[in-house]
Amino acid sequence: EDQVTQSPEALRLQEGESSSLNCSYTVSGLRGLFWYRQDPGKGPEFLFTLYSAGEEKEKERLKATLTKKESFLHITAPKPEDSATYLCAVQAYAGGTSYGKLTFGQGTILTVHP
Amino acid sequence: EAQVTQNPRYLITVTGKKLTVTCSQNMNHEYMSWYRQDPGLGLRQIYYSMNVEVTDKGDVPEGYKVSRKEKRNFPLILESPSPNQTSLYFCATGRSPGGYNEQFFGPGTRLTVL
Repeated sequence: EDQVTQSPEALRLQEGESSSLNCSYTVSGLRGLFWYRQDPGKGPEFLFTLYSAGEEKEKERLKATLTKKESFLHITAPKPEDSATYLCAVQAYAGGTSYGKLTFGQGTILTVHP
Repeated sequence: EAQVTQNPRYLITVTGKKLTVTCSQNMNHEYMSWYRQDPGLGLRQIYYSMNVEVTDKGDVPEGYKVSRKEKRNFPLILESPSPNQTSLYFCATGRSPGGYNEQFFGPGTRLTVL
């Protein structure tokens, strides 16, 4: 069974204080790891897809990295508008049509204070 | 404008009264999926569809039905709702049949079953 664990559950930062969010995963064979951002009362919004260990992707103040067991979302010099819940999800290789299954972690609630 | 539409956005109903939550997309995407989001449990996949007439179970399919008779629509059916199905529901779509790429989420449907 695929498992995704995110830490910490909540993170409070001062504006400009860089930090990282962790996503540990267990899958039989990783097809893709996804990061999403979710604002209160809204649907998740796609950030990144990572496919293989060693891969990195960047977008503005965010950088996602991937190893064989975990992914990190690095936030450099965050601003208050980066406050949101960040979700990690994995998709595994599987037989038949079951490769469409996606497993999410519980998310990290990030608050950035001005 | 590319979008995923869910209706209704809010619904309060009673135990046992059949209901349908609709999901429609105008992006010609192959993949569609339903999730529920509960505090402390995160996002959990209910059902997904790789293409028209192709559906498969996610992690929490019990008590739900889906159908994919046309590409743009993927309704979620609760034949006999129970209070434990009170939740926030999201529909999502993806370009590739396996949901391999980014997924686009709808605005959510908040369901309360009394």
